[in-house]
Amino acid sequence: ILNVEQSPQSLHVQEGDSTNFTCSFPSSNFYALHWYRWETAKSPEALFVMTLNGDEKKKGRISATLNTKEGYSYLYIKGSQPEDSATYLCAVSSGSARQLTFGSGTQLTVLP
Amino acid sequence: ETGVTQTPRHLVMGMTNKKSLKCEQHLGHNAMYWYKQSAKKPLELMFVYSLEERVENNSVPSRFSPECPNSSHLFLHLHTLQPEDSALYLCASSPSLRTARSNEQFFGPGTRLTVL
Repeated sequence: ILNVEQSPQSLHVQEGDSTNFTCSFPSSNFYALHWYRWETAKSPEALFVMTLNGDEKKKGRISATLNTKEGYSYLYIKGSQPEDSATYLCAVSSGSARQLTFGSGTQLTVLP
Repeated sequence: ETGVTQTPRHLVMGMTNKKSLKCEQHLGHNAMYWYKQSAKKPLELMFVYSLEERVENNSVPSRFSPECPNSSHLFLHLHTLQPEDSALYLCASSPSLRTARSNEQFFGPGTRLTVL
């Protein structure tokens, strides 16, 4: 069973602060890492998919990096806004069926 | 909008009831999934269908019965559930199980199920 760990579990930041959180996973049998943004009562929304060691992706103020050798990914949010408040999920695909194994998420609250 | 819809959004049922959850995807994908999220736990994969054939069944009790009549629709039939089955049930779809390295999945908004 693949173990995907996310930290911290929850985070409160002030509007304008930059923040980052971590996803850790076993580096063996790795195919891809996914970041999702999940607002309450909505569908999880795909942010990034990364497959190669050293990958960096960026969308607006949000960016992510991937280190497959040591088994971690960072998600960065620059200049947090209240609308960034959500749970950020990390998932790793592995195995023959490319199933996703999810972490427990980091719940971000941006205070105005 | 992710292109994946789920109905109902909320469901309350007794332990002796039979109900069904419905998922529909409008993305032309060939794989569909059911996930369960219990309080304070990660999303847990329940079932995977590829081209309407079940390819994964992750030790889910038989009181949950999936059905995939075509590549656009997925059902989860529920009968004689227990209170501990109360959770958020999410459906997802992806283009294909095996051709895409990344297997990006698109999620519906979920059905919040309460079993009394």
